Amino acid sequence: DTAVSQTPKYLVTQMGNDKSIKCEQNLGHDTMYWYKQDSKKFLKIMFSYNNKELIINETVPNRFSPKSPDKAHLNLHINSLELGDSAVYFCASKSSGIRNEQFFGPGTRLTVL
Amino acid sequence: DAKTTQPPSMDCAEGRAANLPCNHSTISGNEYVYWYRQIHSQGPQYIIHGLKNNETNEMASLIITEDRKSSTLILPHATLRDTAVYYCIVRVEIGSGGYQKVTFGIGTKLQVIP
Repeated sequence: DTAVSQTPKYLVTQMGNDKSIKCEQNLGHDTMYWYKQDSKKFLKIMFSYNNKELIINETVPNRFSPKSPDKAHLNLHINSLELGDSAVYFCASKSSGIRNEQFFGPGTRLTVL
Repeated sequence: DAKTTQPPSMDCAEGRAANLPCNHSTISGNEYVYWYRQIHSQGPQYIIHGLKNNETNEMASLIITEDRKSSTLILPHATLRDTAVYYCIVRVEIGSGGYQKVTFGIGTKLQVIP
């Protein structure tokens, strides 16, 4: 059983296009995140949602728009893709138990040509 | 956020204990120390966390110094599958709901050698 899943796993597209990455968690968690891992392997938080509400927005360009239709899903839509958007994007969800650990998805490798 | 400092890389012989250090000298009283690891091409995976006391679970042990300015993650019997980048993180709570903002550094690349 997949806990946090992302689609697609790989995404290759041209500059200027609009694309979406989907994330779903079946863990019953209330909080979900999007992270970006660049070529230097820095893993940076982008957004956090709790019960479909935006909680954290880490100075991400307006071209990035997260959408949470329900608390099990957090999708990431990117408009007017740029070369610098090439990275691996990870979705995560967080338990509310004592451990407060985050569960990460497998990642989506986005390549902008 | 309290920043963390880790060595960029370490080697460990298979079957031996791997001791990964982390400095977090600016940690505040209510911040927890978390450890995650990222095996090549996969998403990060939670290992362990602690506040003051030493902690142990099925994966590892966490030793936190009394002044909380540093900690050590111990993998008691490293295997080849433990080869990964290990991140030491301090957790910041935002909001009354305990919303968690986690900042990952560069981490330590642990290579377990046969």
